[in-house]
Amino acid sequence: QQPVQSPQAVILREGEDAVINCSSSKALYSVHWYRQKHGEAPVFLMILLKGGEQKGHDKISASFNEKKQQSSLYLTASQLSYSGTYFCGTDSGGSNYKLTFGKGTLLTVNP
Amino acid sequence: NAGVMQNPRHLVRRRGQEARLRCSPMKGHSHVYWYRQLPEEGLKFMVYLQKENIIDESGMPKERFSAEFPKEGPSILRIQQVVRGDSAAYFCASSPPSLAGGNEQFFGPGTRLTVL
Repeated sequence: QQPVQSPQAVILREGEDAVINCSSSKALYSVHWYRQKHGEAPVFLMILLKGGEQKGHDKISASFNEKKQQSSLYLTASQLSYSGTYFCGTDSGGSNYKLTFGKGTLLTVNP
Repeated sequence: NAGVMQNPRHLVRRRGQEARLRCSPMKGHSHVYWYRQLPEEGLKFMVYLQKENIIDESGMPKERFSAEFPKEGPSILRIQQVVRGDSAAYFCASSPPSLAGGNEQFFGPGTRLTVL
């Protein structure tokens, strides 16, 4: 079952914050976040594991609520380089490799 | 350390021809994954391979598609008798030997297949 991402698209001005949500109808073992720029490879951002943790680096962080079967990606003080499509990939089988990706959230950061 | 390499980057085939997509994983990575991405869609898992072994091919169409990862050389995704519906971007990812708790998958730049 494909996770549902929201919003589908968001437009920000440089310096503004954004939250991208990823919800699953299945129990999750892990959530993987990627950013993809048009025509390029998806770039790994972070993995969150079962256990309800929060991770972050620089101004991008994420949380994982195991009970609610959802994860949120937080982008603070956005930069132009943050523009792209953000995908969450979920592992609901405990395989550690078989990811089911959402349809993505298109983030546009304008000057 | 070079990243995941894929070639060709763009491939055009006529209906009924064969398409061969190649993927060289990052140095030190022994696990390869293939994903397909349709326009405006997320990546869809196709197959997971280790050297000389197909571990999970549950996402592969039952016919015309095959994958291998030989002892020497790149991983190959092969599509026989291509049809228009095969047009998509095919991404390869690799990861190091398994660690408990999930592996970061590093993606290549993809091969964009167009079937005329």
